[in-house]
Amino acid sequence: DQQVKQNSPSLSVQEGRISILNCDYTNSMFDYFLWYKKYPAEGPTFLISISSIKDKNEDGRFTVFLNKSAKHLSLHIVPSQPGDSAVYFCAARRDFGNEKLTFGTGTRLTIIP
Amino acid sequence: DTGVSQDPRHKITKRGQNVTFRCDPISEHNRLYWYRQTLGQGPEFLTYFQNEAQLEKSRLLSDRFSAERPKGSFSTLEIQRTEQGDSAMYLCASRGTRPPYEQYFGPGTRLTVT
Repeated sequence: DQQVKQNSPSLSVQEGRISILNCDYTNSMFDYFLWYKKYPAEGPTFLISISSIKDKNEDGRFTVFLNKSAKHLSLHIVPSQPGDSAVYFCAARRDFGNEKLTFGTGTRLTIIP
Repeated sequence: DTGVSQDPRHKITKRGQNVTFRCDPISEHNRLYWYRQTLGQGPEFLTYFQNEAQLEKSRLLSDRFSAERPKGSFSTLEIQRTEQGDSAMYLCASRGTRPPYEQYFGPGTRLTVT
């Protein structure tokens, strides 16, 4: 049972344009969401997170949007840069005391120069 | 480098052998996690420690797997009688008790069971 889904295995975006990565979840108990970025041969690197009490969180070029009613979140990268080429994982967690992160299957983002 | 470190980075073993991996968390982090990632999947939670106490174990952690964190610092993950299905990337992460609370991952140990 895939509780966190990233339905696009890959995405290609022109440098300088906006990259939008999507994530859906099924478990209504999730209340904290994170995006991680992973380069080959490295572990995932934390990018940005959002609590369920918010609908938007922004950090530089990265913005995460959360639509609780649709159980959907998205990561926007503007402007996209070649160094953003990586696999992006969406992850979710239940209440603060629950440590387990549930990850999606990832989206491979390729930025075309 | 004060990030999470894992050793070895790669391990090739024959089916039936035992293997042990080590994780050194960020020094002030009291919580340590193990995840497993197979090809085409995201990381899957295996277990976590708060200091030396193992507080949660996934059903993925069969009785051939054991994890320890004896002094609340580094941790080891042992797999006994390895099977080909154990081939995966084993990731360790840690987090502290002060913001930011996100888990920080190490580079992983890639296990290949032949």
